[in-house]
Amino acid sequence: QKEVEQDPGPLSVPEGAIVSLNCTYSNSAFQYFMWYRQYSRKGPELLMYTYSSGNKEDGRFTAQVDKSSKYISLFIRDSQPSDSATYLCAMSTLRNAGNMLTFGGGTRLMVKP
Amino acid sequence: EPEVTQTPSHQVTQMGQEVILRCVPISNHLYFYWYRQILGQKVEFLVSFYNNEISEKSEIFDDQFSVERPDGSNFTLKIRSTKLEDSAMYFCATDEGQDYGYTFGSGTRLTVV
Repeated sequence: QKEVEQDPGPLSVPEGAIVSLNCTYSNSAFQYFMWYRQYSRKGPELLMYTYSSGNKEDGRFTAQVDKSSKYISLFIRDSQPSDSATYLCAMSTLRNAGNMLTFGGGTRLMVKP
Repeated sequence: EPEVTQTPSHQVTQMGQEVILRCVPISNHLYFYWYRQILGQKVEFLVSFYNNEISEKSEIFDDQFSVERPDGSNFTLKIRSTKLEDSAMYFCATDEGQDYGYTFGSGTRLTVV
């Protein structure tokens, strides 16, 4: 079983739609969860990170963590064409800086005008 | 906004040759990382570096790989004898040590022929 799984998509939605992106994981030691956005031929860009179960909101983005189900989600409200990118979930077992991140394979999102 | 700068953006090398990938971290950041992404695959952790020494490394980071911070500014990844399977995007990332605020560079595309 892969440590972190993500549906690769592509996920195609019309502009203004609510987008739901998800990851499942198998390692219950993961405590810290991040979402990155990656545009083509660019490095990942941190969108959000959280370490507790529940919701965390930042503008149009909401990150949700359910540790009991080993399931995390990213919701994007009022999606824009500029949101078209690959979204990567990442997670880590410890908070210490210097610790490795384990990434999902990414979901490609396309928002059509 | 501060950036992590990577050079070169694209490197083509013959199998068996040595390559050095360079990164200029954000100035007040203390932790440095290398990740790689083989085309179509996940972003994978290679190594983390703090206080002039490796703090963690993955199984991928074998004796062919080394990192150093030769002049206090650049952070380099050296591959001693490149193999075809080393072809990938290599990302440098840095953070200041407060949380998981990794900042990734745009990457170096390494092509081994």
